[in-house]
Amino acid sequence: KAGVTQTPRYLIKTRGQQVTLSCSPISGHRSVSWYQQTPGQGLQFLFEYFSETQRNKGNFPGRFSGRQFSNSRSEMNVSTLELGDSALYLCASSFLTGGGQDNEKLFFGSGTQLSVL
Amino acid sequence: GENVEQHPSTLSVQEGDSAVIKCTYSDSASNYFPWYKQELGKGPQLIIDIRSNVGEKKDQRIAVTLNKTAKHFSLHITETQPEDSAVYFCAASKGGSYIPTFGRGTSLIVHP
Repeated sequence: KAGVTQTPRYLIKTRGQQVTLSCSPISGHRSVSWYQQTPGQGLQFLFEYFSETQRNKGNFPGRFSGRQFSNSRSEMNVSTLELGDSALYLCASSFLTGGGQDNEKLFFGSGTQLSVL
Repeated sequence: GENVEQHPSTLSVQEGDSAVIKCTYSDSASNYFPWYKQELGKGPQLIIDIRSNVGEKKDQRIAVTLNKTAKHFSLHITETQPEDSAVYFCAASKGGSYIPTFGRGTSLIVHP
């Protein structure tokens, strides 16, 4: 089956702009999580959506937001971009109804590399 | 909240050697410990995981051990091959949270 798809693969923006990233989870998965990956900070959790509701949130400013649609596809938005927002943004899907303990396993996409100039 | 420390940050070995990566966690309520491998240009991929009711788990050349008392767990790779070169992340989570806390990663380099 198809894996997690993230678009676009690369993005270049300037400070002050906003950006929207997209994630299509594995078919049947109901949870989508977003992570920011930088060389200095590793994998930092942004937020998780489950059945169109934000279920968990990390310690990021309000400029970072997201949503999930009825087909489980998710988008994240970053407004008023700062240089420090340059990072690889990863999305991960999980949670099949009836999946039991396997629901803790995350399946990652290849990420969107965002560069803020 | 949970804090996961991972060592070493870089590990260089010769092909055929063994590699060991160690992690410690702070929250005694954590009960799920996955390991992810990230190759260049790709997202992390789950390679093995262990739950707190098990002390050791093996899958071919990789194994994970867990010491709940000391709150540390380790990844062991035997007979390393160049294709094992990647960044490895450990993580810890509590049952039902589904949000793991990741270590900072170990860059494993296997020299042919």
